[in-house]
Amino acid sequence: QKEVEQNSGPLSVPEGAIASLNCTYSDRGSQSFFWYRQYSGKSPELIMSIYSNGDKEDGRFTAQLNKASQYVSLLIRDSQPSDSATYLCAVTITGTASKLTFGTGTRLQVTL
Amino acid sequence: ETGVTQTPRHLVMGMTNKKSLKCEQHLGHNAMYWYKQSAKKPLELMFVYNFKEQTENNSVPSRFSPECPNSSHLFLHLHTLQPEDSALYLCASSQDFRGNGLAGFTGELFFGEGSRLTVL
Repeated sequence: QKEVEQNSGPLSVPEGAIASLNCTYSDRGSQSFFWYRQYSGKSPELIMSIYSNGDKEDGRFTAQLNKASQYVSLLIRDSQPSDSATYLCAVTITGTASKLTFGTGTRLQVTL
Repeated sequence: ETGVTQTPRHLVMGMTNKKSLKCEQHLGHNAMYWYKQSAKKPLELMFVYNFKEQTENNSVPSRFSPECPNSSHLFLHLHTLQPEDSALYLCASSQDFRGNGLAGFTGELFFGEGSRLTVL
């Protein structure tokens, strides 16, 4: 079983719509959860972190965490073409606080 | 000046060559990482250095040899690689506030632009 699972996409949404990106993880002891964005040909950059159940909002981005379901999601409101990128979910695995385990990423395409 | 600089950006080598990848961070961080990114695979952690000490070797083949002479520089020495080693190699740094690589990690990695390696 993969430790962090994401649908590879592409997820296509029209400009102005809400993009919903999902991630599941296998380690029940995971404590920290992150979303990285990677533009084509570029390196990943951190856009959101979440540590407790519930929602965390930052501008147009909302991260949602449900530890009971081992599920974390990223919502992007008012999607823009500049949001087109691959979004990587990352999780710290129990006992390895300095080690991030990444999913394969979901490619998001925001269409005009 | 970017925070994390990697050279070379592109490298083509034969299976018998020896080459090195270099990474330099200008952020004052105390932890540095090598990741491998292959198509359709998750980012794979290879090595972690915390305060110049290797704290993680993720079962990486010995044909990859890391070196961390100080907290700002990280090298990945390559020798007798295989074609399946062709990938993007990403260096990253982070600040570990506790200094032990365990409890002080914020989860924020700062990545370099990567070195695209092709093994013929």
